[in-house]
Amino acid sequence: EIVLTQSPATLSLSPGERATLSCRASQSIGGDLAWYQQKPGQAPRLLIFDASNRATGIPARFSGSGSGTDFTLTISTLEPEDFALYYCQQRRLWPWTFGLGTKVDIK
Amino acid sequence: QVQLQESGPGLVKPSETLSLTCTVSGGSISSFYWSWIRQPPGKGLEWVAYSSNSGSTNYNPSLKSRVTISLDTSKNQLSLKVTFVTAADTAVYYCARGTAAVAGLAVYWGQGTPVTVSS
Repeated sequence: EIVLTQSPATLSLSPGERATLSCRASQSIGGDLAWYQQKPGQAPRLLIFDASNRATGIPARFSGSGSGTDFTLTISTLEPEDFALYYCQQRRLWPWTFGLGTKVDIK
Repeated sequence: QVQLQESGPGLVKPSETLSLTCTVSGGSISSFYWSWIRQPPGKGLEWVAYSSNSGSTNYNPSLKSRVTISLDTSKNQLSLKVTFVTAADTAVYYCARGTAAVAGLAVYWGQGTPVTVSS
């Protein structure tokens, strides 16, 4: 199965700063990568699909890039509600898999 | 607005069968991909199974042949059965809806139902 490695595990930033989250796949997945946001006690929410497409209703400060094995989620200016856990997920090969997550917390 | 609501027993004994239901409102269960995804306490996410509207299914090899996903269009529900459960099956179980054309995306999620396997 495809392993997704997310880094860093934790990102400590202040509101207004830029967040850059990485996801590396164990083999090429083309552009078949999604990003989800999860807050404590809530279900995940789809942010980005196909590496760079924002899901419906997702603010423009969220952007995704990358292809092949290396992907990035960027939050241009952190809002208070953005402090959460972020997962990447591949759908190139079944079973679809998630990374272990990057926690963005308040510095 | 599509809404998904999972329901389940909460507590299941080891070696028994876990049965979960997801009731869909605000849209038909037809024409989309449907999935079950689980999250053990304090851990990451695992895609358990999915079904297309045409009835094709796929299961995570980690659960081998213990899992069955099914759709009931008359009730607008999907369900999941996991047989011979162990403590490793303890998790929050989410149902999720994908798109009509693309498998492997969880666009809409239920709130999740917690399941504990314990005697």
